[in-house]
Amino acid sequence: SQQGEEDPQALSIQEGENATMNCSYKTSINNLQWYRQNSGRGLVHLILIRSNEREKHSGRLRVTLDTSKKSSSLLITASRAADTASYFCATGPLSDYKLSFGAGTTVTVRA
Amino acid sequence: DGGITQSPKYLFRKEGQNVTLSCEQNLNHDAMYWYRQDPGQGLRLIYYSQIVNDFQKGDIAEGYSVSREKKESFPLTVTSAQKNPTAFYLCASSATGIHEKLFFGSGTQLSVL
Repeated sequence: SQQGEEDPQALSIQEGENATMNCSYKTSINNLQWYRQNSGRGLVHLILIRSNEREKHSGRLRVTLDTSKKSSSLLITASRAADTASYFCATGPLSDYKLSFGAGTTVTVRA
Repeated sequence: DGGITQSPKYLFRKEGQNVTLSCEQNLNHDAMYWYRQDPGQGLRLIYYSQIVNDFQKGDIAEGYSVSREKKESFPLTVTSAQKNPTAFYLCASSATGIHEKLFFGSGTQLSVL
């Protein structure tokens, strides 16, 4: 079964608005990662947050991690048309090299 | 230009045929991975390798085989035993360690004729 699950499945917003998506996972983790995938392309790493961190920023991205609730959120501020993509969270069990991905959140930014 | 290269971009398989997907990296990474992605779904791990000459099955290894004879190369063979091979295949690499950041190739779309 998948370690991480994103919510919502799809999100449509106006350019300039913020987009928030969530990820829930099942077991204790070393870190949680977020990736972006443009249609028909490979995934690109966005940000990694370690289990002892609560919040991390990278440009217009803000990630939070709540290990007590086993959940994370990704916020994209001031969205642009170029942010249209699918976003995936990835985690893995503590003692396992395997990194598992959820089904992703598809974000559409309307001009 | 450092990166990870997958070829071909598109591949067609006939009934009963084995096909091999290529994955090469020049990032000097020890670890390499193969994922399968079906439409609207997440990635599922097929095989992974932490070091040359060693690899482990992922969650959906049946019908697939790999080799890791060189650090920079991790080819995936989709055998005739894989009855539903149509999917987008992604190769990735990372530095050694648990849950390091993955670098992905641009993928191979495999379809059945």
